[in-house]
Amino acid sequence: DAGVTQSPTHLIKTRGQQVTLRCSPKSGHDTVSWYQQALGQGPQFIFQYYEEEERQRGNFPDRFSGHQFPNYSSELNVNALLLGDSALYLCASSLDPDQPQHFGDGTRLSIL
Amino acid sequence: GNSVTQMEGPVTLSEEAFLTINCTYTATGYPSLFWYVQYPGEGLQLLLKATKADDKGSNKGFEATYRKETTSFHLEKGSVQVSDSAVYFCALSRSGGSYIPTFGRGTSLIVHP
Repeated sequence: DAGVTQSPTHLIKTRGQQVTLRCSPKSGHDTVSWYQQALGQGPQFIFQYYEEEERQRGNFPDRFSGHQFPNYSSELNVNALLLGDSALYLCASSLDPDQPQHFGDGTRLSIL
Repeated sequence: GNSVTQMEGPVTLSEEAFLTINCTYTATGYPSLFWYVQYPGEGLQLLLKATKADDKGSNKGFEATYRKETTSFHLEKGSVQVSDSAVYFCALSRSGGSYIPTFGRGTSLIVHP
């Protein structure tokens, strides 16, 4: 049984570009959350998707957007990349919004 | 708002030593409390949790007790192993709502043979 899978594992972009990160939830999970983890910090909540809608959102600008597909997989899009967007982006899934989350190994995004 | 404060690392111990990683929190209401572990190059794994005051969470020899009077949730293990080397995150989530943890900054544990 595959856990949460994220792609790509590493990505290098330049300032001003746009990026899309992808996440496949654990089998049977319908809720997907995204986190940003800067170096040496704890993960910060970006947003959560449930039933293809953004259910909750953290304190991130509109440059950060997402989508959830009917098969529950999800994408995180970041526009107009800044140097400060360099981080590990973690996806987590759960059986429903009120259940513990299972994390993927993350996508390491570097902005030059 | 909610916040979590952890002791700064790294914590460096010899194998079989006793481990304590301090965690205190600020929250309204009655949050649930968690410890997550992150091994090098991997995502976070839920280590243990406690959902109400005086509850003790335990897993893989690790324990933590929900202390409402001191707003603390310290992580302990009686005898650490080299394989316990990782970063440990204390977290809380608000009660009665979605499971969205607020994480501390993490404490790195290094265990030497």
